[in-house]
Amino acid sequence: AQSVTQPDIHITVSEGASLELRCNYSYGATPYLFWYVQSPGQGLQLLLKYFSGDTLVQGIKGFEAEFKRSQSSFNLRKPSVHWSDAAEYFCAVVPMNSGGYQKVTFGTGTKLQVIP
Amino acid sequence: DARVTQTPRDKVTEMGQEVTMRCQPILGHNTVFWYRQTMMQGLELLAYFRNRAPLDDSGMPKDRFSAEMPDATLATLKIQPSEPRDSAVYFCASGLGTTLSNTGELFFGEGSRLTVL
Repeated sequence: AQSVTQPDIHITVSEGASLELRCNYSYGATPYLFWYVQSPGQGLQLLLKYFSGDTLVQGIKGFEAEFKRSQSSFNLRKPSVHWSDAAEYFCAVVPMNSGGYQKVTFGTGTKLQVIP
Repeated sequence: DARVTQTPRDKVTEMGQEVTMRCQPILGHNTVFWYRQTMMQGLELLAYFRNRAPLDDSGMPKDRFSAEMPDATLATLKIQPSEPRDSAVYFCASGLGTTLSNTGELFFGEGSRLTVL
């Protein structure tokens, strides 16, 4: 069965510092890969996605993620964190050959705290 | 600005009462999901619809939960009778499925926070 692991439950970074959130997946083939962000009291919003092609993908709010097939990873990065980035971040996978069935598996999330 | 709309945003009820949550997916989307989010369990998939047909409700307690799509603009999640352990935030999400032209992105509503006393 496919699974998504986000090993860091909680991360604290200083404003202006760089950020990397880890995501590893377990699946027989390369799935579609996503990062979502959830601000307090809100639903999840898509940050970026990997479908195919260039393994470094750019998203909204200055985020990027790099797909590494050899490591089954899709880590999220931002060079300089802003206080407004404090939120919970979810990695998600969707099987590429799902026949139209969009079974999404979410990781357990990483809560990001930004300190001045 | 197309978005998924959920009602109610907040609901407090007593154990044993019926609760109905509603969702209006984005116009044109053919997939609808219901998720439950708690601190302990994270995001759990409860039900999944494609073209209004239920395809997967394996994550939903069948004895008290039911999900329907009376039409393409409305999805409902009902709990009867409700129990304190049902207290959670329930999210609806819609999308266009995974095809050659769509990669499975989901659009989430803001959630319905349910508290069962």
